[in-house]
Amino acid sequence: EPEVTQTPSHQVTQMGQEVILRCVPISNHLYFYWYRQILGQKVEFLVSFYNNEISEKSEIFDDQFSVERPDGSNFTLKIRSTKLEDSAMYFCASEGTGVGEQFFGPGTRLTVL
Amino acid sequence: AQSVAQPEDQVNVAEGNPLTVKCTYSVSGNPYLFWYVQYPNRGLQFLLKYITGDNLVKGSYGFEAEFKRSQSSFNLRKPSVHWSDAAEYFCAVAPGYSSASKIIFGSGTRLSIRP
Repeated sequence: EPEVTQTPSHQVTQMGQEVILRCVPISNHLYFYWYRQILGQKVEFLVSFYNNEISEKSEIFDDQFSVERPDGSNFTLKIRSTKLEDSAMYFCASEGTGVGEQFFGPGTRLTVL
Repeated sequence: AQSVAQPEDQVNVAEGNPLTVKCTYSVSGNPYLFWYVQYPNRGLQFLLKYITGDNLVKGSYGFEAEFKRSQSSFNLRKPSVHWSDAAEYFCAVAPGYSSASKIIFGSGTRLSIRP
């Protein structure tokens, strides 16, 4: 069964450093998403991406965040200068039809020290 | 504001007993409703969705959910739980149809199973 994969599973970084979280969506999917879950809190939407551009972004997704689909298979989330409050589990998701059934990856746990 | 509420942080059910996990939502227009499950150290797995049609939706692993517009609810049910159902369950809503529609999640309900 096809699945969304994410690397690394755990990333530890120093405050102010740049991190890139990587995702490989399901191959024939067209819509891509990033969500995050701060420990003990809800899963929150960050950004959606379709046709090589951002479709929607939340207030969390400020200028420090960017997304890219560099090679037609990977989908990356970059945080330019990490803050302590960026520590969270980051989930990538992909979808084939544009409504509903989003398939989630296992997540990357980001720890900012 | 669009939101999803799961009033129970945790439920504890005896194996073999029925399960109900409560969910209410607040969204303008026709909601698209979902249930996801998260097993320990795993990603979110899709269980079922309501888009339109029959208010009773059947999903994976014997789960079902009933959409009640009058109560703005979408409760998850299973007639008989198994120990392997122990996980966290998330209700979610997509606020109407649009391409690349975000999903708004509830806070989750952790299910524990007692022997």
